[in-house]
Formats: sequence, structure tokens, C-alpha cells
Amino acid sequence: GDSVTQMEGPVTLSEEAFLTINCTYTATGYPSLFWYVQYPGEGLQLLLKATKADDKGSNKGFEATYRKETTSFHLEKGSVQVSDSAVYFCALLPNTGGFKTIFGAGTRLFVKA
Amino acid sequence: SAVISQKPSRDICQRGTSLTIQCQVDSQVTMMFWYRQQPGQSLTLIATANQGSEATYESGFVIDKFPISRPNLTFSTLTVSNMSPEDSSIYLCSVAQETEAFFGQGTRLTVV
Repeated sequence: GDSVTQMEGPVTLSEEAFLTINCTYTATGYPSLFWYVQYPGEGLQLLLKATKADDKGSNKGFEATYRKETTSFHLEKGSVQVSDSAVYFCALLPNTGGFKTIFGAGTRLFVKA
Repeated sequence: SAVISQKPSRDICQRGTSLTIQCQVDSQVTMMFWYRQQPGQSLTLIATANQGSEATYESGFVIDKFPISRPNLTFSTLTVSNMSPEDSSIYLCSVAQETEAFFGQGTRLTVV
């Protein structure tokens, strides 16, 4: 079945460091791909999305490119801030058979000042 | 897009009791989904709620523990029955439209 695999955390970075959180997926067809963020004590927020191959989603300095050939959707940010400390979830929404969002395990990011 | 309202936003409940969580969507949708997020974990799908039929439960979840109602195309409820501390989680309602999924803010449940 469909699945999402993302790198384990926690990831600890210093402020202004470069961030990459790897995400790969397994799915039939052409799913939509998402990154969600969950700040401490808060609900789930959509960070960015891409709906077809080679699309780049971007928001708040974060970006991710839908790579069909490598089935990947890695999250990147050029310069992280302390306020980026959160849990990041990669997810896919299949375009067939039920439309249930499938989440990765989540990656906790700590950014030190 | 869809806006989802969930109530309550949080609750502290005694073990052995039940809690019903409400989910209201601002547009008509065919399928609504209920997820659970246990502390420090990812989101796990509990069930899919379709209007006019019984909910479809994922492996590991049963109707007696998590009864779901779906009386119309904009509303659903999830009940957590006979609660134990292991049920302490965030419960989220979700809908999917075209190429995007939308989530409520969640209900943070603590069972004592």
C-alpha cells in the first residue's frame, strides 16, 4: 500500500544553518504531496504542497520539489530560525481509492540560538 | 478550500467515561476522516465516515470503542468510549477536496 518514509529526528541545528529533511514515498498513480508543521502545543498546519511531478511548493522560506523519478519530496530551508523549531510531517494524498492522507512518522527540529 | 471546526478543543476526562467530539465543515463533502495522534507520534487514521452508511474502520480500531455518526454532508461526531489513560491523544477531523486535505485544529484529550 501507499506509504511515506521520512528521516528520523530529532534534528538539531544552529540558527541560520541549512535544513534538509528527507522524505520518500510509495504510491500508485500521482498523489499530491504535502509538508505539515506542528508547533509545540498547537494543531497541524499545512506548510506547502505540490500536486504533480516537478512542482515546487514553497512557503515561509521552506521549499520542496516533487520528484517522480526518485519518489521524493525533501524539505529544505536555507537559513533556519529558532521559531522554526517544530515537528514536520511529510504526507501524501492519493488521487485514487479513498483519498485518505498518509503521514510519515514526523521529524522533530530543534534550532538553537 | 474547506474550513473545519472541531469541538471541544480540549478536555480532561475521567477513566471509564465517554467523550463525543464534533466536527463541522463549511461545505458539503462526501468523506470525512478521523485521525488520532498519540503523544509524540504521527497521525493514524481511525476511520472514514460516509454520509448514509456505517463508518469504515482501519485495522486496530473498532466501532464499539470509537462510534462515529455522519448525519449529513457537513457534520460528523466521533465518540471515544470507556476511556482509559491510553486514549489520551489529539483527535483530528479531516476532509479531502480535489488535491488537498484539510484538518481541524484537533481535540486534545487527557484521560485521568
